[in-house]
Amino acid sequence: QIQLVQSGPELKKPGETVKISCKASGYTFTDYSMHWVKQAPGKGLKWMGWINTETGEPTYADDFKGRFAFSLETSASTAYLQINNLKNEDTATYFCARTGFDYWGQGTTLTVSS
Amino acid sequence: DIKMTQSPSSMYASLGERVTITCKASQDINSYLSWFQQKPGKSPKTLIYRANRLVDGVPSRFSGSGSGQDYSLTISSLEYEDMGIYYCLQYDEFPLTFGAGTKLELK
Repeated sequence: QIQLVQSGPELKKPGETVKISCKASGYTFTDYSMHWVKQAPGKGLKWMGWINTETGEPTYADDFKGRFAFSLETSASTAYLQINNLKNEDTATYFCARTGFDYWGQGTTLTVSS
Repeated sequence: DIKMTQSPSSMYASLGERVTITCKASQDINSYLSWFQQKPGKSPKTLIYRANRLVDGVPSRFSGSGSGQDYSLTISSLEYEDMGIYYCLQYDEFPLTFGAGTKLELK
């Protein structure tokens, strides 16, 4: 069956870096691009951008340009979200979802606190 | 960016009641609209795509309608398991944008 399985919760300090993974199974990874969505505590969903899983080309929403990086390990059917120079406001749950949003990862909770 | 105005932001409804949630886009989105249900601590679940197409396995009491700028999600007869937060998403243009959500609670 189709699954997107994300890495576990993260606790980081401001200024550190985190890399969150999203491993796909049950379908051909390169047939569907991958999107990333942020949900701050008690808030709604915010689209961060997407990565073309055929070409590896990322596209970022304006609020996520600069410190955020999407990448792939196609041989492992895995997409990554890296956030550099972490800030308190990065505290959120991050979801991956394949194009069409028919399948979502379970979410990775990131807490940034000194 | 396309703004999605979702209403109401919260509502109370009774079991068996007909419930309607609306999303208005700031421009024509050509029916490129999905609806999601999210429960606490869970990832969103897709209910409807392309404005009115029901995802396989989603109960038929859910339906979507609309065109142009105006869209709605209707639950024909509310069941307890339908409690949660509902979001719309437009995917006509980048950046993709979500509505702010509707929290549906039992009266």
